[in-house]
Amino acid sequence: EIVLTQSPGTLSLSPGQRATLSCRGSQTITYLSWFQQKPGQAPRLLFYGASRRATGIPDRFSGSGSGTDFTLSISRLEPEDFALYYCQQYDTSPWTFGQGTKVEI
Amino acid sequence: EVQLFESGGGLVQPGGSLRLSCAASGITFSDYAMTWVRQAPGKGLEWVSSISAGGDSTSYAGSVKGRFTISRDNSKNMMYLQMNSLRAGDTAVYYCVKDWARYISGLFDYWGQGTLVTVSS
Repeated sequence: EIVLTQSPGTLSLSPGQRATLSCRGSQTITYLSWFQQKPGQAPRLLFYGASRRATGIPDRFSGSGSGTDFTLSISRLEPEDFALYYCQQYDTSPWTFGQGTKVEI
Repeated sequence: EVQLFESGGGLVQPGGSLRLSCAASGITFSDYAMTWVRQAPGKGLEWVSSISAGGDSTSYAGSVKGRFTISRDNSKNMMYLQMNSLRAGDTAVYYCVKDWARYISGLFDYWGQGTLVTVSS
């Protein structure tokens, strides 16, 4: 099973600042997604294939990385961006998720 | 607009059974694999089970294999999760999730709002 480790656990920032979230795999990954989850809501797909933006995702969000190290960046935080973010690999079953990074004000 | 609506959650005693349902609309349901993902209270996301578009291929997480059964009825645009021998550790919100492909790819593009299953005496 591929283990994904996200860091940091919590990111405390202000609106307008840049956020950088990390996801590291226990082995090489080709297929990685990022999700955003707000309290009481279902996760929303942000990126797939590490860097392919899902439908309707603003371009202040960007995904990058390869191999075992991946990054989700938010260039200028908007109030609605404060949420939980998860990475997920769909390289090898069982599909696994990171433990999440909370972006808080 | 893709809509996925889960139902069937509730309170069940340890060792009991429950059947979850997922109703899909806004898509050609029979064209896509489907998945159940769960989230324990205050915890992260855990993949549970997936089924291919035609229903001929299924897969399960080790933690539920032999206890849970996934199925679908493409004539009704419905997916199901039969959960037997439930344990306290199965307590979670269960999400119905659409895969982007006919086969089980693991790329999850749309999620329902979830249904809460609580296993407790």
